[in-house]
Parts: sequence; structure tokens; C-alpha cells
Amino acid sequence: AQTVTQSQPEMSVQEAETVTLSCTYDTSESDYYLFWYKQPPSRQMILVIRQEAYKQQNATENRFSVNFQKAAKSFSLKISDSQLGDAAMYFCAYRSGNRDDKIIFGKGTRLHILP
Amino acid sequence: ETGVTQSPTHLIKTRGQQVTLRCSSQSGHNTVSWYQQALGQGPQFIFQYYREEENGRGNFPPRFSGLQFPNYSSELNVNALELDDSALYLCASSSRGGTSTWYEQYFGPGTRLTVT
Repeated sequence: AQTVTQSQPEMSVQEAETVTLSCTYDTSESDYYLFWYKQPPSRQMILVIRQEAYKQQNATENRFSVNFQKAAKSFSLKISDSQLGDAAMYFCAYRSGNRDDKIIFGKGTRLHILP
Repeated sequence: ETGVTQSPTHLIKTRGQQVTLRCSSQSGHNTVSWYQQALGQGPQFIFQYYREEENGRGNFPPRFSGLQFPNYSSELNVNALELDDSALYLCASSSRGGTSTWYEQYFGPGTRLTVT
């Protein structure tokens, strides 16, 4: 079975600085997708960035980028120029390439932004 | 484009009662998945509905059941509520079949269920 592990329950970063959230996963599949979701206090789960496993190039969305290390099964999220609005729970998630499959989430990392 | 909506926002029930939660999928999406998120945890997959049929189920007992309607909206029903059912219930929609982003799920704001 696939698993997703986030080893940092909480992190803090100074506003305007850069922070990296860690995620590792375990799978025997070759076709899968990885995601980072943000969940602010409003509870709405927001898709931040996605990575297709077959793509070698790391995904980037504005201030958010990932470091995808397929062999090491690592998928970290880098947030540049941190803003107060980035404060939230961040979940790393995995989805099989099988269209019938569900998304598996890690336990999350709570990110605090210090003004 | 209309996003995923859920109702009600909050709900308080007593142990042993039954509850129905509702979800309207995002415009153009035909698949709905339900997740349970306990306090301080990541969401856990309950089940998925496609073409009005259950299409994948997580490790949840049969007292968790659902429906999908022809307009792709969905209901989650929980019978014989237990204290441990207290959680945030999230609905997510996606578009299966031929789209380049079939694997992305978009979440609603959730329903907070409290069982006393």
C-alpha cells in the first residue's frame, strides 16, 4: 500500500523568507501523481501544485516550486518570498495513475509566518 | 465556473442518530469523492462515485453510504453515529474521461460534524 509521510508537524518562517516543507512517499507503482494542498483556517483544501511522476522537470507555480526526487521518493515544497497569507496546514498527497484510485494524504505540516 | 459546494456547514448530532451530508460538484465534473478529516489529521478516503455508482471505497464500515444523482451531485449518509465520527467531511470533484487533468480533485469547504 502507498504511504505519504510528512515529518515536520510545524514550521515557522519569517515573512519574505524561503521555507521548504518535506514529504516522502512509498509506492511500487511507476505511474502516479503528487500534490501539495493548502488548508487555511477557512478549511477549504486548495490545490497548490501538482507533479506528474513521468515528468523529470520540477513543477513551479509562481512562488511555489517542488523538488521531486523520484528515486529517493521525495517531494518537497519550496515557498519563496513567504507571505502572511501562506499561513496554513500543508498536505502532501499521492494519487495512483489508476483512475479508480483515491488520493492519499500525509498528516500535514502547519506553517506559521512570522511578521 | 461554479466551485464545489457542501451543505450544511456545521452539524451537531447525538450518538446513534443518522446524518446526511450534501455536495454539489464543480461545473463539468462527473466524479465525486468523500473524505473524513479528523482533527489534526490528513483527510482519509471514504468512497468515490462515478456514473451514480460507488467506484472505490476506503476502510470505512457499511454504515457509511452514499448516492450520486444524474446531475453529479452527491450525498454521504452515516447511520448509527458514533463519537469517533466527529470530523470534517470533505467532498471533492473531478472529471473522469479524456481530460488532461482527470487526476486533479477540487475540494469543497467541508461539513463539520460533531457527535455528542
